Amino acid sequence: KAGVTQTPRYLIKTRGQQVTLSCSPISGHRSVSWYQQTPGQGLQFLFEYFSETQRNKGNFPGRFSGRQFSNSRSEMNVSTLELGDSALYLCASSFVVAGGSAYEQYFGPGTRLTVT
Amino acid sequence: AQKVTQAQTEISVVEKEDVTLDCVYETRDTTYYLFWYKQPPSGELVFLIRRNSFDEQNEISGRYSWNFQKSTSSFNFTITASQVVDSAVYFCALTTNAGKSTFGDGTTLTVKP
Repeated sequence: KAGVTQTPRYLIKTRGQQVTLSCSPISGHRSVSWYQQTPGQGLQFLFEYFSETQRNKGNFPGRFSGRQFSNSRSEMNVSTLELGDSALYLCASSFVVAGGSAYEQYFGPGTRLTVT
Repeated sequence: AQKVTQAQTEISVVEKEDVTLDCVYETRDTTYYLFWYKQPPSGELVFLIRRNSFDEQNEISGRYSWNFQKSTSSFNFTITASQVVDSAVYFCALTTNAGKSTFGDGTTLTVKP
């Protein structure tokens, strides 16, 4: 099985711009989660999508949004970029059983976003 | 709200030493899942183990072992006879039945030859 893929791998943007990151989960995985990883803040949960619905959300401002498509692929959008948004953005997919039971997450290589 | 605490920010050991990485968690959920992940210098997080809240059986996998104690809300990870290849950042995580995940800040393990 192919792993989780994320595009692009590297991105440089200017303050005030917006950016869209893409994530393709492992085939059969319907849950996709997004994380922001920075040296100072560790791994921060952004949101989780399951069956095209945002099921969980972390404590990030509304500038961070996402969506999931019917094929489980997911996109994350950050509008009005700030310098502090520079980070590694990780996507993870997981197999979900109806009724609960969380399974392990499989992570992609991440998108390194630099805001100048 | 849930929280995962990895009190050890950095640990340095010499090869062949045993090392234990601590993880303490907080949650109000009665059903939850605990995980350990490894992030080697190459960057990608790799799943190591999953434990259900209702299964306190400890597990051993080769040089790795995990000790889950619900009474102390701890899920510690021990590497026996550490090797240089074990050098990485290790994350402990908790996921609720509803799919919300919380990660600890990670412990950077350096194994010196």
